[in-house]
Amino acid sequence: EAEVAQSPRYKITEKSQAVAFWCDPISGHATLYWYRQILGQGPELLVQFQDESVVDDSQLPKDRFSAERLKGVDSTLKIQPAELGDSAMYLCASSLYVGSYEQYFGPGTRLTVT
Amino acid sequence: AQSVAQPEDQVNVAEGNPLTVKCTYSVSGNPYLFWYVQYPNRGLQFLLKYITGDNLVKGSYGFEAEFNKSQTSFHLKKPSALVSDSALYFCAVQDGQNFVFGPGTRLSVLP
Repeated sequence: EAEVAQSPRYKITEKSQAVAFWCDPISGHATLYWYRQILGQGPELLVQFQDESVVDDSQLPKDRFSAERLKGVDSTLKIQPAELGDSAMYLCASSLYVGSYEQYFGPGTRLTVT
Repeated sequence: AQSVAQPEDQVNVAEGNPLTVKCTYSVSGNPYLFWYVQYPNRGLQFLLKYITGDNLVKGSYGFEAEFNKSQTSFHLKKPSALVSDSALYFCAVQDGQNFVFGPGTRLSVLP
């Protein structure tokens, strides 16, 4: 069964350093999502791509976060500089298209900023 | 803007008993509604969705959910709970291109 791949699974970094996460969605899925999940809370959408275009990045802290999906396949989420409050689980998900289609989630990257 | 509420942080139920996890929503248009489950140290898994049609939706692992438009609710149900159902459950709503998760409800099924 096809799965969403994410790497790394765990990342520890010092504040003010740069960090990057990678996501490879299920083949053929046009829509890709990045979420941040703080322990004990629901996932918060950071950015949504349709192919290589950003559909929604209204919740992305653009002063320090950036995301790209250059060829409309895999995607990278970057934080620079990292802050203590960025410690969270970062989840990637994909779906066939925007709308009524269920999302398939990767295992996530747990980020700890020290 | 749309929102999702899950009024119970924690639900405890005895194995074999029916379970209900509550969800209410607020959207401007006709919503797409979803339930996801998260097991410890794992990503979220899709359980079921309501798009249109029959108000009772059946999903994975014996779960079902009832859409009630007048009460703006989408409660998750299962007739007989299993210990292995213990997990974190999230309700979610899609309104146009906007997708929002609820805060989650932790379900504990006691043997």
